[in-house]
Order: sequence, then C-alpha cells, then structure tokens
Amino acid sequence: ETGVTQTPRHLVMGMTNKKSLKCEQHLGHNAMYWYKQSAKKPLELMFVYNFKEQTENNSVPSRFSPECPNSSHLFLHLHTLQPEDSALYLCASSQDELAGGTSTDTQYFGPGTRLTVL
Amino acid sequence: LAKTTQPISMDSYEGQEVNITCSHNNIATNDYITWYQQFPSQGPRFIIQGYKTKVTNEVASLFIPADRKSSTLSLPRVSLSDTAVYYCLVEGETGRRALTFGSGTRLQVQP
Repeated sequence: ETGVTQTPRHLVMGMTNKKSLKCEQHLGHNAMYWYKQSAKKPLELMFVYNFKEQTENNSVPSRFSPECPNSSHLFLHLHTLQPEDSALYLCASSQDELAGGTSTDTQYFGPGTRLTVL
Repeated sequence: LAKTTQPISMDSYEGQEVNITCSHNNIATNDYITWYQQFPSQGPRFIIQGYKTKVTNEVASLFIPADRKSSTLSLPRVSLSDTAVYYCLVEGETGRRALTFGSGTRLQVQP
C-alpha cells in the first residue's frame, strides 16, 4: 500500500464511451502525475500537476483530458478512445521541493487502471 | 535528460546475490540515481536512491563509482518474490519533476 489509490482497477469501454479514471493520494504531496504503460513499452509520462496547476502535457491527444481539483485528487477523462489506447494507466504523486538545486523527489505510484478499449 | 542503459533481462536462483548494472554516461552534477521495482500490473515502487559511493537500506544496496557514470543495484539473497522489472533512473534537473523510464531489467528468479 503506497498511499495512492486508483479506481477503477479494470475498465472496458467502447470507442464511443466516456469514462473517467480517478486517483487519490493520502500522502500530503503537492505533485501528481499520469503515466501510460502499454504492453512491452516503457512507461510514458502523460501529464504533470504541481499545486493543482498543469505543468506538463507530454503531447497527449485531446481525447485524454486531465483534471486536478485539489492536490489530493487527479482525474483522467476519456472519450472516443482508440483500441491502441488500451494500456495500464498509472497515477503517481510526489512532494515537489521548491527550493533550488537538486531534486530528489521520490514518486509513489498507485496500482493502476487496466484499460481495454474495444 | 541523462539516458540510462541496463540489461534487458537477468536470471538468478533463490538465495543468490543479484547485481544489476546501469550505465548513465551523461549524468549531470545535480542528478541522483534512483531505482524502482515493478511487478506485473502494478505501479513501480521506489527501492533506493543515491548520489555517490554506497547506499544501503533494508531492501538493497546501491554502489556508485567516483565518476558516477554507472551504478549497480545489489539485491542480497533473492527470493521468488523478487521477480520483477527493475528500472534505473537518473533525474534531478530542477524544474523537471517527472521520471523518464527506460525498458528496465526483467529479473527472473528460479527456485
């Protein structure tokens, strides 16, 4: 148990559906992340939020829409996905130190949501 | 961002010590070296982090030579439950908070 929860754990959806993935962290962190892990590929960063503000969008298609209402919750809204979007979607959080110099942020990952798009 | 290179896979037997080496020739002065472990269908889990010389915790040891161009994760007396993918990451650039994962090393522990 890492202190980061994700729901649902498994999701099957059609290409015309709209669904949302939810992530919640109980660690008091101020940064949250979405990653995508496809079969036999490295983890790919999708979005980064610091203090509820999106600081990075790694060229993610607009059919993925993140939302961060507060520093403890992160959502990923999905609509008109493609079968190639089937993957494990991982949420992570960290305490983003604002002081200058070396960053040693350790990220804590949730268990992921296994998404299948039919 | 510093790029890392590590073996694609390794095999071991229960009770053996496993050493996984990672190369990071372009590591920057401010970069730390971090290792994560990932089991199938789970998120990566932090194992250990270091800057130079040797770091040890209850799970593993991390050896970093003086030039910091490589690092070695050492897992003492592995068990079947240590079968996983191990990722070496080099991060630390101020303002860049997200992690860049490579392909990792798939460790298979046999009985």
